[in-house]
Amino acid sequence: DIQMTQSPSSLSASVGDRVTVTCRASQSINNYLNWYQQKPGKAPKLLIYAASSLQSGVPSRFSGSGSGTDFTLTISSLQPEDFAAYFCQQSYTTPRTFGQGTKVEIK
Amino acid sequence: QVQLQESGPGLVKPSGTLSLTCAVSGGSISTTHWWSWVRQPPGKGLEWIGEIHYSGTTNYCPSLKSRVTISVDKSKNQFSLKLTSVTAADTAVYFCARLNDWASPPPSIGTYWYFDLWGRGTLVTVSA
Repeated sequence: DIQMTQSPSSLSASVGDRVTVTCRASQSINNYLNWYQQKPGKAPKLLIYAASSLQSGVPSRFSGSGSGTDFTLTISSLQPEDFAAYFCQQSYTTPRTFGQGTKVEIK
Repeated sequence: QVQLQESGPGLVKPSGTLSLTCAVSGGSISTTHWWSWVRQPPGKGLEWIGEIHYSGTTNYCPSLKSRVTISVDKSKNQFSLKLTSVTAADTAVYFCARLNDWASPPPSIGTYWYFDLWGRGTLVTVSA
């Protein structure tokens, strides 16, 4: 199985901050990497697919980059509604595996 | 628009069988998409369980494969999950999700899969 490791596990930030979350795969997955946002008690929501393609309807302050084993999700200016957990997921092969998540909290 | 809704018992006894159904509304299950189950233990991360195509082809997570069956009922536009010999470790919120695909334009070649539609999730507790 391909292991996905996110860092940090949690972070505190203020509204307006630039936030970066990192995801590392245990082997190369090219750009077969997706990012999801999950708020408490809700289902995950797709933000980014194919490492850098923004899902329709997702604000442009979200962006993704990376290829191979190292990937980044960036929120350019954190908004109040962005406080949530973020998960990466590889779609290179089955089993489809997720990172353990990064919780973005209010400072 | 297409919506997914999970249903099934919220409490299952240890060693019993967990059975859930995901109803697809607003669209047909007989498409190019795959239909998946993902679970999330309380306070923890997401775990992919498996997926099915309307043709009946399935893929399962190896660590659960011996206990999992995913099936599809095209006439009812729904798909189902059965997980046998459950223990407390199977306590989780179970989500059904649609796996969609995107083919990248030239010069890149690739088909990218992602979960673009999710049900609300249903909590299943394994307890006597």
